Amino acid sequence: EVQLVESGGDLVQPGGSLRLSCAASEFTFSSYAMNWVRQAPGKGLEWVSIISGDGSSTDYADSVKGRFTISRDNSKNMLYLQMNSLRAEDTAIYYCAKRYTTGWHFFDYWGQGSLVTVSS
Amino acid sequence: EIVMTQSPGTLSVSPGERATLSCRASQSVSSKLAWYQQKPGQAPRLLIYAASTRATGVPASFSGGGSGTEFTLTISSLQSEDSAVYYCQQYNNWPLTFGGGTKVEIK
Repeated sequence: EVQLVESGGDLVQPGGSLRLSCAASEFTFSSYAMNWVRQAPGKGLEWVSIISGDGSSTDYADSVKGRFTISRDNSKNMLYLQMNSLRAEDTAIYYCAKRYTTGWHFFDYWGQGSLVTVSS
Repeated sequence: EIVMTQSPGTLSVSPGERATLSCRASQSVSSKLAWYQQKPGQAPRLLIYAASTRATGVPASFSGGGSGTEFTLTISSLQSEDSAVYYCQQYNNWPLTFGGGTKVEIK
């Protein structure tokens, strides 16, 4: 069974930085694009970022562009999200999510989420 | 950006009754529409993709329909375990966008 396990969430001050990690297992990690999707407390889902299977291509939501960086290490089956210049509105549970397959940009597996709280 | 609008915000249905949830896109997304179920404290779970294809392991009581800008998710006979928030998501255009969700309650 596919497993995605996020870590790294924490309380951070506005303007601070944080790095989330997602450990993937039980599938050929390098063959799939991976995403980060977030959910503010009591709110809906917001797509944040995507990275291609080989890591050569990335994209971001406008709300995080220039502040967040997605990356992956296929040798370790790890996905990362480097978050800089954090704002209160970045407070959310961050999920890593596996894309179904090439050209089908929906998510068939999700991690349990990692909570990021931005507050002074 | 394509805006996805779900209605109603909350749906209260008796056990065994049918629940019909709606999702509208601000422009056509063809059939590139997915539905997810999210229970409290859990991650979302994929239910439907390509507007009407059930994901692996999803009961036949869940069905999806529609194309273009109007979509529906139907739960044919509501069970207590179906109490959750349901989200639609379009994947025809970037950025990927989700609807605001419909909360299904058991009456």
